[in-house]
Amino acid sequence: GAGVSQTPSNKVTEKGKYVELRCDPISGHTALYWYRQSLGQGPEFLIYFQGTGAADDSGLPNDRFFAVRPEGSVSTLKIQRTERGDSAVYLCASSLTTGTSNQPQHFGDGTRLSIL
Amino acid sequence: QKEVEQNSGPLSVPEGAIASLNCTYSDRGSQSFFWYRQYSGKSPELIMSIYSNGDKEDGRFTAQLNKASQYVSLLIRDSQPSDSATYLCAVNLNRDDKIIFGKGTRLHILP
Repeated sequence: GAGVSQTPSNKVTEKGKYVELRCDPISGHTALYWYRQSLGQGPEFLIYFQGTGAADDSGLPNDRFFAVRPEGSVSTLKIQRTERGDSAVYLCASSLTTGTSNQPQHFGDGTRLSIL
Repeated sequence: QKEVEQNSGPLSVPEGAIASLNCTYSDRGSQSFFWYRQYSGKSPELIMSIYSNGDKEDGRFTAQLNKASQYVSLLIRDSQPSDSATYLCAVNLNRDDKIIFGKGTRLHILP
């Protein structure tokens, strides 16, 4: 597709369950970012991939959160033992990265996660 | 000090006037700066990117960067009701390619 695709668009699950959120970036974009956004807040950085490797995962809140990008394209954010505080919109963005200047990020429509 | 700071607003501006949105950042080595617009319930969309000191104009939008003062701003000329949204400032951190967002400024254009 032409843009960043995220699935599902909405996910409702019970506390304690496991969830996977998927992101398909723009073709050719080597950088992929995951953010979490709560109401009235800006996107909060979670993790950044350059190719297949996680270049920076310092934003992951705890070890219940994990993300992979095995082939350098599609990425999956995995949340174990979900808690009500995990409810938020999870945004994925991708970009080209060239030299020392970051290229702008292009965002998907997000996954709205609700933990009951 | 927070890494990227914005006044949360709301900022109310009459239609046709100039809206001025401001952002400060803490990392003096930052090199890339972005402004995004986010409508309620939607994902952020890029408006402007700026990398050098000075002004950069694109239609009704002008981004201004002052690295010495660690300050970046966005001016919207001839404000329209459709400009009503939250405007997010985003800055890369020099030590890596991580891009950090401010909390955003809510802008309300008064018809």
